[in-house]
Amino acid sequence: DAGITQSPRYKITETGRQVTLMCHQTWSHSYMFWYRQDLGHGLRLIYYSAAADITDKGEVSDGYVVSRSKTENFPLTLESATRSQTSVYFCASSKGQGYQPQHFGDGTRLSIL
Amino acid sequence: AQSVSQHNHHVILSEAASLELGCNYSYGGTVNLFWYVQYPGQHLQLLLKYFSGDPLVKGIKGFEAEFIKSKFSFNLRKPSVQWSDTAEYFCAVGRTASKLTFGTGTRLQVTL
Repeated sequence: DAGITQSPRYKITETGRQVTLMCHQTWSHSYMFWYRQDLGHGLRLIYYSAAADITDKGEVSDGYVVSRSKTENFPLTLESATRSQTSVYFCASSKGQGYQPQHFGDGTRLSIL
Repeated sequence: AQSVSQHNHHVILSEAASLELGCNYSYGGTVNLFWYVQYPGQHLQLLLKYFSGDPLVKGIKGFEAEFIKSKFSFNLRKPSVQWSDTAEYFCAVGRTASKLTFGTGTRLQVTL
């Protein structure tokens, strides 16, 4: 099953550029999440969304913007990329109850030069 | 703030050895507990979860975990590891659907 797909898988860009990472899920899950994974930090939540048009900040939201006009899509935008945003980005979704696990995409490896 | 500690950062074991990875959390209320595994170059996959009932939880691939409320712990175990278990393991603790905190991960290397 397609489940949750992220694009692109790899991206190289320069500081100051705008970058958008895409996330699409086919389960109709209400919750969607963006995490970044860095060595020594594990996964840190950037933004999450409880439903279409409802988003909220996570632990490390500065420099990132999200939108969720449709339930299935949750794009993440870096408005002006910085080197510190070089990371692996994971999108996830869940049904919404606290005991329901999150399901993860394959990740986007983003390098900012 | 809720925190999750995984004290073993890198573990090296020989095949057939037993495994125990520690996970401790700071929150004292009702929590939902998860272990995820990330194989090299892949996304995180759920190994097992606990939210109520029997504190000994069995997951996929022969893994199990025990929730000990008095110790705020949710340690992961496997009696006999295989080379294919080489991966990074993450403990995660959540109270609500939107609040899941991950530990920093434990890298497991299994040698032949």
